[in-house]
Amino acid sequence: DIQMTQSPSSLSASVGDRVTITCQASQDISNYLNWYQQKPGKAPKLLIYDASNLETGVPSRFSGSGSGTDFTFTISSLQPEDIATYYCQQYDNPALTFGGGTKVEIK
Amino acid sequence: QVQLVESGGGVVQPGGSLRLSCAASGFTFSSYGMHWVRQAPGKGLEWVAFIRYDGSNKYYADSVKGRFTISRDNSKNTLYLQMNSLRAEDTAVYYCAKELAVTVTAFDIWGQGTMVTVSS
Repeated sequence: DIQMTQSPSSLSASVGDRVTITCQASQDISNYLNWYQQKPGKAPKLLIYDASNLETGVPSRFSGSGSGTDFTFTISSLQPEDIATYYCQQYDNPALTFGGGTKVEIK
Repeated sequence: QVQLVESGGGVVQPGGSLRLSCAASGFTFSSYGMHWVRQAPGKGLEWVAFIRYDGSNKYYADSVKGRFTISRDNSKNTLYLQMNSLRAEDTAVYYCAKELAVTVTAFDIWGQGTMVTVSS
């Protein structure tokens, strides 16, 4: 299976800060990488698909980039409602795998 | 509106069986691949199983292969997960999720989740 290593596992930032999360695949996955946001007690929500495509209705402060094995997810200006855990997910292989998650908190 | 509603969760003893259902509405169910994803308490997301829009292809995580069976009834707009030989490590919230498109395995619609607890 393809392993997805996400970092950091948690971070604390101030409102308005730029926040960056990375996801590294154990092998080349082209751009077959998605990002989700999950708030406590809720189902995950798709934010970015195919590494850099913003899902319909998702605010433009969220963005993604990368290809191959290294990917980045960015919140350009952190808002209080962005407090959540974020996950990457690869689909290069039928055995889909998620990263371990990054918990984002407000400082 | 587009919606997925899971049911069938509960408490079951180790070695027991359970069948989860996921009722879809608001979209053409028979046109989309569907997945089950689970989340153990306090843990991350784990993909469980996939079924193609027409039921012709199925894939499973190694952790459930041979014990779980995914199926669908397009006439009833319903997805299923038959879980046999359940273990304590299968305890989790189980979500059904819809694929964004046939060429993009991203989960754009999720159910609210149903809790499965395996305990004696």
